[in-house]
Amino acid sequence: EVQLVESGGGLVQPGGSLRLSCVASGFTFSNYDMNWVRQAPGKGLEWVSYISTTRSILYYADSVKGRFTISRDNAKSSLLLQMNSLRADDTAVYFCARGPRNKFEYWGQGTLVTVSS
Amino acid sequence: NFMLTQPHSVSEFPGKTVTISCTGSSGSIASNYVHWYQLRPGSAPTTVIYEDNQRPSGVPDRFSGSIDSSSNSASLTISGLKNEDEADYYCQSYDSSKFYVVFGGGTKLTVL
Repeated sequence: EVQLVESGGGLVQPGGSLRLSCVASGFTFSNYDMNWVRQAPGKGLEWVSYISTTRSILYYADSVKGRFTISRDNAKSSLLLQMNSLRADDTAVYFCARGPRNKFEYWGQGTLVTVSS
Repeated sequence: NFMLTQPHSVSEFPGKTVTISCTGSSGSIASNYVHWYQLRPGSAPTTVIYEDNQRPSGVPDRFSGSIDSSSNSASLTISGLKNEDEADYYCQSYDSSKFYVVFGGGTKLTVL
């Protein structure tokens, strides 16, 4: 069974940093592209970032470009999202999702990031 | 930019059929696949339809997807509604000309 478990969310002040993790199981992690998708409170889904299997291709939404960094550790079956210079409008549930950039096959339950003073 | 528009909410009684639309703002919605996701509070989102009309294993055949090029829209149809179908549903596609992911605004399905 495919499982994706996110962690690392929490309360952080504006301008602060946070690092999210997503541990995968039930499939060969290194064979699949991965993404981060977020949902702000009461809002819809927003794709955040993508990483290819070999880390050679990275994409970011304009809203996070230059502030967020996606990475992966295939040996540990984990996906990471380093978030710097956080703003109030980054407050959201962050989901990791398996799949190419145009389709999300499996999702985790998400981790809540709250940016507030 | 390419956008997908969904109704904010739909409601229907158990056992009935409901259809959720997803209308493209420009171009042809048939140019890229449309996928549908179900979001329930406290649960991981799941794919109910992928690539316009394909159903993942484990998703009941009460769920179906289609594309209507004449109205530039995709549709998710759920027949034989059950209480457990109550959730938010999002359509998603991809603007290949600009390399970005597009989500619809989501539709809240209420089973009365």
